[in-house]
Amino acid sequence: DGGITQSPKYLFRKEGQNVTLSCEQNLNHDAMYWYRQDPGQGLRLIYYSQIVNDFQKGDIAEGYSVSREKKESFPLTVTSAQKNPTAFYLCASRLLAGDLDEQFFGPGTRLTVL
Amino acid sequence: KNEVEQSPQNLTAQEGEFITINCSYSVGISALHWLQQHPGGGIVSLFMLSSGKKKHGRLIATINIQEKHSSLHITASHPRDSAVYICAVSGGTSYGKLTFGQGTILTVHP
Repeated sequence: DGGITQSPKYLFRKEGQNVTLSCEQNLNHDAMYWYRQDPGQGLRLIYYSQIVNDFQKGDIAEGYSVSREKKESFPLTVTSAQKNPTAFYLCASRLLAGDLDEQFFGPGTRLTVL
Repeated sequence: KNEVEQSPQNLTAQEGEFITINCSYSVGISALHWLQQHPGGGIVSLFMLSSGKKKHGRLIATINIQEKHSSLHITASHPRDSAVYICAVSGGTSYGKLTFGQGTILTVHP
């Protein structure tokens, strides 16, 4: 089955620790995205990557870092510099083909900082 | 003011009712997307619209480009339709940026 996987589903972290969230896709999509979701707010773009070995900051990149060494993988590191990291994190990839322009989302990782 | 506004924020209905969720946007777009988020958190795409109307089963989505407004309708609602419905718009960038509304929480009671 093609799709996007994120792990872990739930993650707990102590203040001051870095943590890495995994995102893998087997859809052969070039573009991938990381979003953050907070209660009562729309999803906000953290980072995006249009192709392997390239990534760009989104609207709220401070305190986060990413890498894109393989097409299938786009891990997100939440660093200790992120002031309010407790949130739900969603990874997505983009299908762009003809008239189709759709993002496919992973199941998400809920990060709680203790 | 948010670039994408949804209304209502919360919606409760009885099974069988006709439901409408609205989305207004203030920016130029190339397409509008309706997404569904289930309680577990996963998001699925329902529709992508650039004009007119689309129908899939009991779901209907319409868009009025001149008025910068879209509606998502659910006919004969069912408790399994309970979810968060999210409107998002794309356009103006080559990298596929989506701007999201805050979501509408729909609860359908049996």
